[in-house]
Amino acid sequence: DVKVTQSSRYLVKRTGEKVFLECVQDMDHENMFWYRQDPGLGLRLIYFSYDVKMKEKGDIPEGYSVSREKKERFSLILESASTNQTSMYLCASSSTHQPQHFGDGTRLSIL
Amino acid sequence: DQQVKQNSPSLSVQEGRISILNCDYTNSMFDYFLWYKKYPAEGPTFLISISSIKDKNEDGRFTVFLNKSAKHLSLHIVPSQPGDSAVYFCAASAGGTSYGKLTFGQGTILTVHP
Repeated sequence: DVKVTQSSRYLVKRTGEKVFLECVQDMDHENMFWYRQDPGLGLRLIYFSYDVKMKEKGDIPEGYSVSREKKERFSLILESASTNQTSMYLCASSSTHQPQHFGDGTRLSIL
Repeated sequence: DQQVKQNSPSLSVQEGRISILNCDYTNSMFDYFLWYKKYPAEGPTFLISISSIKDKNEDGRFTVFLNKSAKHLSLHIVPSQPGDSAVYFCAASAGGTSYGKLTFGQGTILTVHP
C-alpha cells in the first residue's frame, strides 16, 4: 500500500521565518505534488515534480519554492512566511496509471 | 477563476437513500475526472474516476456520470451509509490520465444520518 508521509501534522511558525515542509513517499513514484487546502477554495496546486530535480509551477506558486533532490522526497519551502500562508498543506504522489495518493496533511499556522 | 465548481457546500441525506453530488467544469480541455473523499485529519483518498470517452462508470455503491455537452459530472452513492459522511472533492485533468496535474473543486460536505 502506498504511504505518503508528511513530517509534521501541526506546525506553528512566526512571520518572516523560512519554513520547510517535508514529504516522503515509499512507492518509487515519479510524480509528486504540493497543494494547500482552504475553506471554500478546495485544494489548490502549488508546485509539482515529474522527476528528480525537476519542478513545475502550479496555480499558486507565489511565496513558495520546492526541492526534489531524491525521488522519494519532495520539500515545500516558504521563503519568508506570512500570515496568509496559514493553511492545511497536502502532499501527494502518483505513478503511471495510478491516481494521486495523499499524505495526511500538515496544518501550518503563521503567527 | 474556478475551473471546477462544486456549487453545493453541503448535502444531508438519510441512511439508505441516494446521495447525489454535483460538479461543473468550464475548461473544455479536461478529459479525465476523479472523485476523492476526505475524512477530518486525513488526506483525500481516491474514490472513482471516469474518462471523457465514457459517460458512466460504476464501482459498487458508487457511480459517476459524465455529461460532456453540459460540462457536468455527478457522483451517486446508493445506498448511502453513515460511514460515507465526509468531504467529497471532484477533480479534473487535461492530460487524459489520472496521475498528472489535477484541478480540484471546492468540496461538498456530505452528512448521512442514521
